[in-house]
Amino acid sequence: GQQLNQSPQSMFIQEGEDVSMNCTSSSIFNTWLWYKQDPGEGPVLLIALYKAGELTSNGRLTAQFGITRKDSFLNISASIPSDVGIYFCAGQVAFASKLTFGTGTRLQVTL
Amino acid sequence: NAGVTQTPKFQVLKTGQSMTLQCAQDMNHNSMYWYRQDPGMGLRLIYYSASEGTTDKGEVPNGYNVSRLNKREFSLRLESAAPSQTSVYFCAGEQGNYGYTFGSGTRLTVV
Repeated sequence: GQQLNQSPQSMFIQEGEDVSMNCTSSSIFNTWLWYKQDPGEGPVLLIALYKAGELTSNGRLTAQFGITRKDSFLNISASIPSDVGIYFCAGQVAFASKLTFGTGTRLQVTL
Repeated sequence: NAGVTQTPKFQVLKTGQSMTLQCAQDMNHNSMYWYRQDPGMGLRLIYYSASEGTTDKGEVPNGYNVSRLNKREFSLRLESAAPSQTSVYFCAGEQGNYGYTFGSGTRLTVV
């Protein structure tokens, strides 16, 4: 099955640093979603994007819907230890249709 | 409001044993999904149900069966467990344009 290309696969950063990750697809999506999975838990929705070019923030997190509709980006500013986890992007073609997930970016934050 | 509840949280099976993973949602989701997550890999879709009474295969359905008992419940059954089915299993319910709500997972080990 298709999975979105997500990069980087893993990141080791120091507390206070900014983080950038992205997700690319060979096909167009009409909705992009970003999830975070804490260790031992299920993924939780962070940000949803519905329009090409849209830029949406959730606290220290900012995500963008690429203008080609084939990519999306997530930035985390001033990282803190609780940012540790796996971040997944997901694309959706139509309302209530199946999601296609990225392969995940594992983030580790050192003090 | 529990959201999506999975039971059990942990399970150890012997090769050849059978078991059913339970999932229940109280968010009136139409579609429900079963995923597995293996180390270093993303989420792989096993089966899904677009509505009560319907089920469809996902990316990795072999060795599994599902049952959509009613709108609330979607169970996953392993008829004859194999070590390759050692994984973390997630159930999810669809929320239209807001993607999925995931349960907290079942950690299954087959020895």
